[in-house]
Amino acid sequence: QVQLQESGPGLVKPSETLSLTCTVSDGSMSGFYWSWIRQPPGKGLEWIGYISYSGSPNYNPSLKSRVTISLETSKSQFSLKLTSLTPADTAVYYCATARGARSYFALWGQGTLVTVSS
Amino acid sequence: EIVLTQSPGTLSLSPGERATLSCRASQSVSSTYLGWYQQNPGQAPRLLIYGASSRAIGIPDRFSGSGSGTDYTLTISRLEPEDFAVYYCQQYGSAPYTFGQGTKLEIK
Repeated sequence: QVQLQESGPGLVKPSETLSLTCTVSDGSMSGFYWSWIRQPPGKGLEWIGYISYSGSPNYNPSLKSRVTISLETSKSQFSLKLTSLTPADTAVYYCATARGARSYFALWGQGTLVTVSS
Repeated sequence: EIVLTQSPGTLSLSPGERATLSCRASQSVSSTYLGWYQQNPGQAPRLLIYGASSRAIGIPDRFSGSGSGTDYTLTISRLEPEDFAVYYCQQYGSAPYTFGQGTKLEIK
C-alpha cells in the first residue's frame, strides 16, 4: 500500500528558506499529481501547489513568488521549497496525492509541523 | 479563487442523531469536483466523499453527500462516537484548489 512521509526541519528562522521532502513508499509516482498542503495551528487547510508526474508545476497564486515544487522520481520523492519565511508560515505541512490535476486528495502524509521563529 | 463557506462553524449533537453540514461556494462548482474530508485532532485529513456523492473506499454508508451548483451537503445519518471531528469541504475543479474553513462536530 502506498504511503507518504514528510521530512524536514521542525524549526526555521524568519527570512530563511524551508525545504521539505515527501517520500513515496511502495508505489510508483507515474500518473499521479503530487501536492503540498498546509494548516496553521488551529486553522484551516491551504493548498500550496502540485507537480505532475511529468514535472509540470502549478502553484497557488498567493504563494507563487516564494514556492518551488520539484520531483525526483528516481528516489520516489518530491520536494517543497518556500523562501522568505515569516511567522505566518508556521503550520503543519502535508504532502498528498491525486490521480489527476482536477482530482481529490485520496492519500495524505501524516504531516510535519514547521515553526518559523528566531 | 472560489471561496467555500461552511456552516455551522460548530455543531453539537449526541451519538445516534443525524448531522447535516453545509458547504456553499462563491461560484458554481461542478459536482464532479466537490469533496469532503474528516480530520481528527493531530491527524491528517481523510477523504470521505468525492464527486459530491461518491463514498471513498472504506467509508461507512452512514456518510452521504449531495448537492449541486453552489450548495452542497454532507449528511451523517446516525452519529457514532468516532464521527466527532472536524469536516472540510474542498473544490478541486478550479485552481487554486480551496477548502472551506471547517465544521467542528462536537458531542452534546
